Amino acid sequence: GQNIDQPTEMTATEGAIVQINCTYQTSGFNGLFWYQQHAGEAPTFLSYNVLDGLEEKGRFSSFLSRSKGYSYLLLKELQMKDSASYLCAAMDSNYQLIWGAGTKLIIKP
Amino acid sequence: NAGVTQTPKFRVLKTGQSMTLLCAQDMNHEYMYWYRQDPGMGLRLIHYSVGEGTTAKGEVPDGYNVSRLKKQNFLLGLESAAPSQTSVYFCAIAGGDTGELFFGEGSRLTVL
Repeated sequence: GQNIDQPTEMTATEGAIVQINCTYQTSGFNGLFWYQQHAGEAPTFLSYNVLDGLEEKGRFSSFLSRSKGYSYLLLKELQMKDSASYLCAAMDSNYQLIWGAGTKLIIKP
Repeated sequence: NAGVTQTPKFRVLKTGQSMTLLCAQDMNHEYMYWYRQDPGMGLRLIHYSVGEGTTAKGEVPDGYNVSRLKKQNFLLGLESAAPSQTSVYFCAIAGGDTGELFFGEGSRLTVL
């Protein structure tokens, strides 16, 4: 079956760095997406990886290892506004997205 | 969320009632999706459309119907609402360089 696993909740301190991990099992693979979702709001696109390696975009970076079925989202210089849920989604061979349940990130001052 | 509008934003229904959620886009994209989001679960695809006049079932289509008569509109219908359909519903369109999804603001539905 197809599956995405990510931690349910993480806590970090303002100004610090946090890494949110995601492992996936899909029938075929056409890329890995990360979305941010603030409470009561819609998800918004953060990053897309289809090749192995690190993609950096400002304070956020996303890493992919296809051979390990593994990705992580790295958030640097954490700000209070980064408190949100982070959703991992893998695209299978039919270009359908398989979603994780999301990781709720709590930022403490 | 610019470009994807969902109506209504909130609705309370009694079991057995029917209703329609409307998703409208002004971005001229072909692919449109209806998802539901429940606590502790990932987004689950209900139905989707790859273009005007086409619809297809997703992961959890039972109890829902959809129509895409016009390219810019994707309607989600509940013919006989059940408490299990209490959820937040998101419409999304696929676009951008990577085919990422753009979501509407969501519609919170409660079925009593």
